[in-house]
Amino acid sequence: NAGVTQTPKFRILKIGQSMTLQCTQDMNHNYMYWYRQDPGMGLKLIYYSVGAGITDKGEVPNGYNVSRSTTEDFPLRLELAAPSQTSVYFCASNDRDAMDQPQHFGDGTRLSIL
Amino acid sequence: SQKIEQNSEALNIQEGKTATLTCNYTNYSPAYLQWYRQDPGRGPVFLLLIRENEKEKRKERLKVTFDTTLKQSLFHITASQPADSATYLCALNQAGTALIFGKGTTLSVSS
Repeated sequence: NAGVTQTPKFRILKIGQSMTLQCTQDMNHNYMYWYRQDPGMGLKLIYYSVGAGITDKGEVPNGYNVSRSTTEDFPLRLELAAPSQTSVYFCASNDRDAMDQPQHFGDGTRLSIL
Repeated sequence: SQKIEQNSEALNIQEGKTATLTCNYTNYSPAYLQWYRQDPGRGPVFLLLIRENEKEKRKERLKVTFDTTLKQSLFHITASQPADSATYLCALNQAGTALIFGKGTTLSVSS
C-alpha cells in the first residue's frame, strides 16, 4: 500500500497565482484532513472531510477551498496565493472518527509564495 | 478553547539514557492523547495512543503516561539511540473529529 500520497512535493508560486495540492489515499479511509505546518509551530487544521461529498472548515480555512468527489481524493485549492500561505501542507486520513483512530500522513507539499 | 503545550522545544541526551518529553493541556481533559514522530522532510508517524482511563501505555522502548489531575502526558524513550532523534508531537482531541497538535519537541540523541 502506498498510504497517503501528496503531489507535488515542492512548488514555488507567485503572488496571486492559483494551484491545487493533490492528496490521494489507497486505504479506503472515510476521514481526510488538510493541515499546514509553519516553522516552529504545530499542525493547524485547514479543512477536513468525513466522506465523499462532505467537507467542513477547520481552524484556518481562509484562502483555501476543498472538494471530495471520491473516497480516495481530497484536493486543496489555493485561489489567490499570498505570502502568508507559504508553509508545508500535510494531508492525512483515518478510518473513522479521530477519537478512535490514529491519522496517517503524507510527506507533505512544501509551498513558497514569492 | 483547548490549548496544548510541549514544554521543551529541544532536548539533548546521551545514547543509552531515558528521554522524557512533556505534554500539558489546559481546560477539559481529552478522551485520549496521541504521540507522533516526525523526521525532517517527512509527515508525522503515529506512535502511541493513551485513553483517559489508562494510566500508562507501553510499546517496546516507548512508554506514555496520562495524568488527568496534572493535565499532563509524559512520553519516555528508554535506552535511547541516535536513530530516535526526531521531533515528537503530542495531539489531543477537540470537539468531534478535530485533533489539535502541540508544537513538538526535537530530541537529539548523541553517541
